[in-house]
Amino acid sequence: GESVGLHLPTLSVQEGDNSIINCAYSNSASDYFIWYKQESGKGPQFIIDIRSNMDKRQGQRVTVLLNKTVKHLSLQIAATQPGDSAVYFCAETPTGSSNTGKLIFGQGTTLQVKP
Amino acid sequence: GAGVSQTPSNKVTEKGKYVELRCDPISGHTALYWYRQSLGQGPEFLIYFQGTGAADDSGLPNDRFFAVRPEGSVSTLKIQRTERGDSAVYLCASSVWFGETQYFGPGTRLLVL
Repeated sequence: GESVGLHLPTLSVQEGDNSIINCAYSNSASDYFIWYKQESGKGPQFIIDIRSNMDKRQGQRVTVLLNKTVKHLSLQIAATQPGDSAVYFCAETPTGSSNTGKLIFGQGTTLQVKP
Repeated sequence: GAGVSQTPSNKVTEKGKYVELRCDPISGHTALYWYRQSLGQGPEFLIYFQGTGAADDSGLPNDRFFAVRPEGSVSTLKIQRTERGDSAVYLCASSVWFGETQYFGPGTRLLVL
């Protein structure tokens, strides 16, 4: 079945260092991937997305890399700040004629930033 | 501009009761989604509306769950005969069109005693 998974449940980094959060997905037909950030007690917040016709996309302090060969997605955060502490989810949208844009989420990686 | 809003923010009810959860999407967004998030898990898809119609309700766990969007804007998720296992955060998201970026509300935390 479809599933999206993250490699590590928790990632601890020093403030100012770069963070890399990884995600493996199983549906090779998925064509849209999104990273969300979720702080305690809040809804998921959109960070960055990428479509399957790209392998890299950059935003402000964030970069998403997509490797379709090994079905791997990563989120890189440059110069990690305390405000980046949260749970990060990758999500995918399966393709097909029944595509509705619904998202399939992984279980999340908790990013802890040490001052 | 205003984001997705959800009411109530918290709801405590007793087993067997009926509850309604409300979602106000971003103005102009035609697609609306409901998800459910259990503690420590990622959100799980429940139902999707394009306009007024439920285009995909494959994620609803059983017939106790129902959702409406009568005017293509506000949506209400309705749960009958609540069970303790229904306790979770219910999230609503909207997007301009299906397949576009989904923006989430803060969620409604439902606790069934």
